[in-house]
Amino acid sequence: NFMLTQPHSVSGSPGKTVTISCTRSSGSIASNYVQWYQQRPGSAPTTVIYEVNQRPSGVPDRFSGSIDSSSNSASLTISGLKTEDEADYYCQSYDSSNPVVFGGGTKLTVL
Amino acid sequence: QVQLVESGGGLVKPGGSLRLSCAASGFTFSDSYMTWIRQAPGKGLEWVSYISSSGTTINYADSVKGRFTISRDNAKNSLYLQMNSLRADDTAVYYCARVGTTEGGAFDIWGQGTMVTVSS
Repeated sequence: NFMLTQPHSVSGSPGKTVTISCTRSSGSIASNYVQWYQQRPGSAPTTVIYEVNQRPSGVPDRFSGSIDSSSNSASLTISGLKTEDEADYYCQSYDSSNPVVFGGGTKLTVL
Repeated sequence: QVQLVESGGGLVKPGGSLRLSCAASGFTFSDSYMTWIRQAPGKGLEWVSYISSSGTTINYADSVKGRFTISRDNAKNSLYLQMNSLRADDTAVYYCARVGTTEGGAFDIWGQGTMVTVSS
């Protein structure tokens, strides 16, 4: 089994840019797609990035995703921070032995 | 509109059973893989189980294998989770979600969740 490790929390000021990392413990991060979900307080999660860097319709282009094979990690970058971006963010991936693996989640605070 | 609505949550004693339901509307349920995901209070997301569109392929997390059973009724556009031998650590909000049709299988539709509390 592999794990996805995220920072417990990140913060940023309105208008600034933050990046949330998601490090895969074993196996290549590039071998399987990574998704990112946003969960606002009291609400169900929604997808903000799928297949590493694709945005569902309705998600602003302030949200972007990428992977870095050298650190075996995926990243979610949010630019032009807004107070409405304050939420928990989860990365998710899989492999042939593990159908679904979630990261532990990162709490984004917009100061 | 496109939606998933869970029901069936509640308070149950350790060792007891509960059956969750998820009613789908606004999309072709019979073509969709479906999944259950849970979230313990103040904790992160944990995948529980998934089922293929026909119901022939099923998988479970190790934490629920042998105790939970996922099923579906495509005629009723409904997904189910039968939970037996419940333990305190099964206490969580249970979400049903659709596995999207993208290659990465992102969960593109989520229900609002139903709370399950296991306590004596």
